[in-house]
Amino acid sequence: NAGVMQNPRHLVRRRGQEARLRCSPMKGHSHVYWYRQLPEEGLKFMVYLQKENIIDESGMPKERFSAEFPKEGPSILRIQQVVRGDSAAYFCASSPNSGRQVHGYTFGSGTRLTVV
Amino acid sequence: DAKTTQPPSMDCAEGRAANLPCNHSTISGNEYVYWYRQIHSQGPQYIIHGLKNNETNEMASLIITEDRKSSTLILPHATLRDTAVYYCIARGGADGLTFGKGTHLIIQP
Repeated sequence: NAGVMQNPRHLVRRRGQEARLRCSPMKGHSHVYWYRQLPEEGLKFMVYLQKENIIDESGMPKERFSAEFPKEGPSILRIQQVVRGDSAAYFCASSPNSGRQVHGYTFGSGTRLTVV
Repeated sequence: DAKTTQPPSMDCAEGRAANLPCNHSTISGNEYVYWYRQIHSQGPQYIIHGLKNNETNEMASLIITEDRKSSTLILPHATLRDTAVYYCIARGGADGLTFGKGTHLIIQP
């Protein structure tokens, strides 16, 4: 039973390009959460999605960032016109039901984005 | 979610018990205490959680004070592979988890 799969593991983008980060939740999980970890910092919650719905995007920057979790396929975190400050590790977690009922999320290994 | 306070770093000898403290003096009645750890370059790993009773699982024990203002995570026989950053989180009804800077636990051979 594969865990939460994130790809790519490492992504290098030039300033102004777009970054697409993918997350495939564990089998049977329909809830996905994205977190960002800046260097030497703890993880910060960004967005919570169910299939085809954004439930809570209170941690998402207002501009350039978007997320989706389509009916088929992985969840995508998209960053447009990347800047150096977007360089971070982005982690995805999944759960089988609502976040408020879950006591232990399963995290992926993350995507390390470097903006040059 | 209530604010938590942890020491930035701790050392522990291999084979000994590692006791990691966490202060959450403003925790409210419906907030659970969670512990996660992050081994270098990996995603966080869930360890244990509790509300007011002490809890134990195959990884660790969680001791919560009677007034719930603080807790201690205990790794009974630390190994080198337990070297990681340990996060204590107080969480109520929020969808996401709020991670602080955690405690960097270093297990010494």
